[in-house]
Amino acid sequence: TQLLEQSPQFLSIQEGENLTVYCNSSSVFSSLQWYRQEPGEGPVLLVTVVTGGEVKKLKRLTFQFGDARKDSSLHITAAQPGDTGLYLCAGTLFSGGYNKLIFGAGTRLAVHP
Amino acid sequence: NAGVTQTPKFRILKIGQSMTLQCTQDMNHNYMYWYRQDPGMGLKLIYYSVGAGITDKGEVPNGYNVSRSTTEDFPLRLELAAPSQTSVYFCASSYGLRQNNSPLHFGNGTRLTVT
Repeated sequence: TQLLEQSPQFLSIQEGENLTVYCNSSSVFSSLQWYRQEPGEGPVLLVTVVTGGEVKKLKRLTFQFGDARKDSSLHITAAQPGDTGLYLCAGTLFSGGYNKLIFGAGTRLAVHP
Repeated sequence: NAGVTQTPKFRILKIGQSMTLQCTQDMNHNYMYWYRQDPGMGLKLIYYSVGAGITDKGEVPNGYNVSRSTTEDFPLRLELAAPSQTSVYFCASSYGLRQNNSPLHFGNGTRLTVT
């Protein structure tokens, strides 16, 4: 079982459409990060959200951290083919004396021209 | 800066063989991690290190060993390769997670197939 559930698993849309992907858990995280991964490469950080209810914008991407810090969403406006990739959320949990980053399984997005 | 460098990029092993996946970083990060990524399963933490000489198990450590003799290097050792270890392995580093917004910097991965 995944501590962090991401949905949908796959998303195939046309250029110009809007989309939202979700990251949900029953655990409370001290922070949550979103990464994007392209084929043959490692994940690259997009944003970190820390405060419950926080909203961050990165051009056409809007990230929101839930009030209870158990969930997050990523909204993309007017998707472009360059947005294609695997989107991973990762939450910070304190365990075993150290903070650890726990990843969701990812949402694979394909944007077609 | 090269960031996080992993070698090799690809490897095919026979069952029972051993190998070491190399990882080095030039950012003077204290924290280093090894993850494996299986299709549809996200990234699972194998081992991590919070500094030279200190390592600890993650979620899926069985079948692997690590060492951290220097700040820069964090090799991952597979002693008796099994088909279940077929995966893409990512090494990552960070300043630490004491600060909530400390991002992970990933290498480009090693794709390992055990047959």
